[in-house]
Amino acid sequence: EPEVTQTPSHQVTQMGQEVILRCVPISNHLYFYWYRQILGQKVEFLVSFYNNEISEKSEIFDDQFSVERPDGSNFTLKIRSTKLEDSAMYFCASSEALQAGVYNEQFFGPGTRLTVL
Amino acid sequence: GQQVMQIPQYQHVQEGEDFTTYCNSSTTLSNIQWYKQRPGGHPVFLIQLVKSGEVKKQKRLTFQFGEAKKNSSLHITATQTTDVGTYFCAGFNFNKFYFGSGTKLNVKP
Repeated sequence: EPEVTQTPSHQVTQMGQEVILRCVPISNHLYFYWYRQILGQKVEFLVSFYNNEISEKSEIFDDQFSVERPDGSNFTLKIRSTKLEDSAMYFCASSEALQAGVYNEQFFGPGTRLTVL
Repeated sequence: GQQVMQIPQYQHVQEGEDFTTYCNSSTTLSNIQWYKQRPGGHPVFLIQLVKSGEVKKQKRLTFQFGEAKKNSSLHITATQTTDVGTYFCAGFNFNKFYFGSGTKLNVKP
């Protein structure tokens, strides 16, 4: 069964450094998403991406963050100048195209645990 | 701004008891999705509700979408230890997504 994959599974970085989290969505999916989950808290939407551009972003997704689809398979989240409070699990998800204006189910990857020291 | 509130935050039940979690939105939603996250795992899609007043069942799970499309509920009948996890609702309004804070269910055998 196709699945979303994410690398690395755990990333440790020093405060102020830049990190790139990588995701490979399911191949026939057209919508891609990044979410953040601080330990013990709820899943927070960061950004959605469709047709090579950001479709929607939350208040969390400020200039510190950027997303890119550098090739036909990868979807990346870049976090510049990391802060302690960026420590969280970052989930990538993908879904098929909208049907009648309704979003389809999202398939989540296993997540990347980011630890900022 | 719009929020999706979910209650309760925690629920501890004895195996065999029923469980219900509720999601409430401040504005009308186009559709709502429910996800389950096992401890240490990632969210897994359970179901999507689109129509006003819609009710869907999956074995022991019953999902409802309110008539005004502002609230939803997930009810589990006769909980089992395999039901342990956090249940999230995700409300959609145009392009915006609002995840509820989740209800963490613990089932004692």
